[in-house]
Amino acid sequence: SYVLTQPPSVSVAPGRTARITCGGNNIGSKSVHWYQQKPGQAPVVVIYYNSDRPSGIPERFSGSNSGSTATLTISRVEAGDEADYFCQVWDSSSYLRVFGGGTKLTVL
Amino acid sequence: EVQLLESGGGLVQPGGSLRLSCAASGFTFTNYAKTWVRQAPGKGLEWVSTISGSGGSTYYADSVLGRFTISRDNSKNTVYLQMNSLRAEDTAVYYCAKDVGEDSGSYLDYWGQGTQVTVSS
Repeated sequence: SYVLTQPPSVSVAPGRTARITCGGNNIGSKSVHWYQQKPGQAPVVVIYYNSDRPSGIPERFSGSNSGSTATLTISRVEAGDEADYFCQVWDSSSYLRVFGGGTKLTVL
Repeated sequence: EVQLLESGGGLVQPGGSLRLSCAASGFTFTNYAKTWVRQAPGKGLEWVSTISGSGGSTYYADSVLGRFTISRDNSKNTVYLQMNSLRAEDTAVYYCAKDVGEDSGSYLDYWGQGTQVTVSS
């Protein structure tokens, strides 16, 4: 089955840029979606279809996807961005929705 | 306003059964697929199952295939997850979520707050 690999944790100082990766076999050929989950809350989509941003999500959040890696980039990181982030794809070959293991973003 | 309200969680013994419900409002129920996602304590998100807007297509994770059944009642705007032969590893918060499309293959734009399922003797 299709596997998405994320680093367990990423740390960044306030005001700097955080990059969270999501690796998968030829993931560049798939649509990747990113969710943010804060403690005790349900997930919220922050990027869909690789690089689109829902209304209400700051422009500081952006996404890219090429080759074997998709990346969620958070610019000018704020304390409120501290959360778990999950990537997700639909594997059309197996009809399975797949989530990455998640990355805990810590704002130093 | 889109709302998804899960219910039916609780404590059940291994081998037992439980039926979760998700009452939806604020959108045309039959136009969108609905999905169950679970999260074990301290773990990541795990997709469980999806049912298309029409109800004609269903999809399951390998970990629940043959034990869980997703269904819907359009008259009640409610989607269900019948869980049989429960195991300790099924212990998790179960979220109901709305897909952006009629069938699976896209992303989840609205989520409920989740219902806790605990499988333990």
